[in-house]
Amino acid sequence: SQQGEEDPQALSIQEGENATMNCSYKTSINNLQWYRQNSGRGLVHLILIRSNEREKHSGRLRVTLDTSKKSSSLLITASRAADTASYFCAKAGAGSYQLTFGKGTKLSVIP
Amino acid sequence: GAGVSQSPSNKVTEKGKDVELRCDPISGHTALYWYRQSLGQGLEFLIYFQGNSAPDKSGLPSDRFSAERTGGSVSTLTIQRTQQEDSAVYLCASSAWLPSTDTQYFGPGTRLTVL
Repeated sequence: SQQGEEDPQALSIQEGENATMNCSYKTSINNLQWYRQNSGRGLVHLILIRSNEREKHSGRLRVTLDTSKKSSSLLITASRAADTASYFCAKAGAGSYQLTFGKGTKLSVIP
Repeated sequence: GAGVSQSPSNKVTEKGKDVELRCDPISGHTALYWYRQSLGQGLEFLIYFQGNSAPDKSGLPSDRFSAERTGGSVSTLTIQRTQQEDSAVYLCASSAWLPSTDTQYFGPGTRLTVL
């Protein structure tokens, strides 16, 4: 079964607003990674958060991880039209070489 | 240095033909992965190479799919007797070691269309 399920499936916001995307998973992880994909092509790595971390920041991005709830969230602050993309979370199990991806959240930022 | 590159960027083929997709990983990365992404879906793991170890082929959907990695660098994914359901974007990624400790860097993908 797929892990790293994103919620919502689609999100539409106005430029300048914050966007929050959530990700849930089922089994224990070593780390969880967020990726962005534009126009169905290559994925760009955004943030990796390890299982012993609770929050990480990178520019306008903030990722949280709650291992007790097996969930993570990605917050994009002060969104821009260029943030329009699909966002995926991917789970890496301990010692695993596989990343298990969800189906992603499609974010549309309206200028 | 350069990122992961893939060729061709687009491939249109007729049902029943064989296709080869190429991936050039980041120099020095020992791990290489192939994924497939169907329209509107997440990524489906296909195969994993790590150094000189035997690849993990557990994600390959059928025996029509095969992949090799020559010299621990360039990889080729081959699909024989293509079917329409093989139409997808095929993504290659590389990492320094394991995704449990290292980021996977993705190429731009090859969009395969089987008519």
